[in-house]
Amino acid sequence: SQQGEEDPQALSIQEGENATMNCSYKTSINNLQWYRQNSGRGLVHLILIRSNEREKHSGRLRVTLDTSKKSSSLLITASRAADTASYFCATLSGANNLFFGTGTRLTVIP
Amino acid sequence: NAGVTQTPKFQVLKTGQSMTLQCAQDMNHEYMSWYRQDPGMGLRLIHYSVGAGITDQGEVPNGYNVSRSTTEDFPLRLLSAAPSQTSVYFCASSYSHWTSTDTQYFGPGTRLTVL
Repeated sequence: SQQGEEDPQALSIQEGENATMNCSYKTSINNLQWYRQNSGRGLVHLILIRSNEREKHSGRLRVTLDTSKKSSSLLITASRAADTASYFCATLSGANNLFFGTGTRLTVIP
Repeated sequence: NAGVTQTPKFQVLKTGQSMTLQCAQDMNHEYMSWYRQDPGMGLRLIHYSVGAGITDQGEVPNGYNVSRSTTEDFPLRLLSAAPSQTSVYFCASSYSHWTSTDTQYFGPGTRLTVL
């Protein structure tokens, strides 16, 4: 399966600290996307990085992509309690195969 | 805009029953998809549609049917419910293809339990 895997499965940090989560995948991709899911809610798209990009920023989010290692990382700087959620990476292979990882559960302690 | 709406929010079925999960979007999006989310598995694509009248299978299509008669609606039908279909189902839509930078919008989900 192409399904990505996030690491760690769970992360607990203090408010104001940075949070880093990683995603690994198995085959070549067109792009990689990160989503946030608050408890009991649908997913919210955060950021997309193309296979020919190495780094992308959006507000407090920084995403890196290393296609040689088939991995990506999501950094959330100066975390807030409202960042508490599960974070998923999703990889697009081919035209229509979008695969989601198993998620990282982030808890930000006020 | 209401965005992507799903009904019902919760449903309990008995094995063998059939039902339809409703999904609608009011953003004039061409692309719509159905996913299921199981604990520890992430989301898996069931079926998707690239426009009215066009549907295709995703990663886990068995036991599910879809149709797309209008741009707005994309119902998911369970033909004969099985306990293995107990899951949370999400519908999503986007204006253009996933290979673009376009955002995929998700509905709030339907939690289905099959006894």
